[in-house]
Amino acid sequence: ETGVTQSPTHLIKTRGQQVTLRCSSQSGHNTVSWYQQALGQGPQFIFQYYREEENGRGNFPPRFSGLQFPNYSSELNVNALELDDSALYLCASSPAGGQGGDTQYFGPGTRLTVL
Amino acid sequence: GESVGLHLPTLSVQEGDSAVIKCTYSDSASNYFPWYKQELGKGPQLIIDIRSNMDKRQGQRVTVLLNKTVKHLSLQIAATQPGDSAVYFCAEADISGTYKYIFGTGTRLKVLA
Repeated sequence: ETGVTQSPTHLIKTRGQQVTLRCSSQSGHNTVSWYQQALGQGPQFIFQYYREEENGRGNFPPRFSGLQFPNYSSELNVNALELDDSALYLCASSPAGGQGGDTQYFGPGTRLTVL
Repeated sequence: GESVGLHLPTLSVQEGDSAVIKCTYSDSASNYFPWYKQELGKGPQLIIDIRSNMDKRQGQRVTVLLNKTVKHLSLQIAATQPGDSAVYFCAEADISGTYKYIFGTGTRLKVLA
């Protein structure tokens, strides 16, 4: 069974640019959640996708957007990057079918640095 | 607002001793509490979870206690090993309604050889 994978591992961007991060969910999982983890902090919920629809959103501005594809993989897009967007972005998948998440299994994350 | 608080940001124990990591939560609607271990440069790894219909759950060398009256959680790691050194997060969620995990800041556990 393949776990959650994310790409790229590391990324450096400059302020104002746009970035796309990718996530492949664990086999058999149809729900993907994205979290932002600043250095020394716990992960903060960005949003969740179930059946290609956004299933809930945390306190993040609209420049954070996402997609889920028919194979349940997902993308996180961030427009107009700001310095404070520098963080580890984590993807988590779960088999819950959108019913509140159950157990979420995390990928290794993408480290984004905004200069 | 909702939050998960931790009593100790750093905990050091001697190898072989037990470690107890404590956590509080604030949302009485929360009914699912996973604990994650995060090693440097890696994503969080689930080590044990507990639902609100339980007070205690045991795994391999780990035990989680839930006190709903005072909204406290604790994670005990028995017979600690150097590989247990990591940051541990508790989280809370209402899996019957919302969909997000609310994480605390984390506790760094250092197991001293």
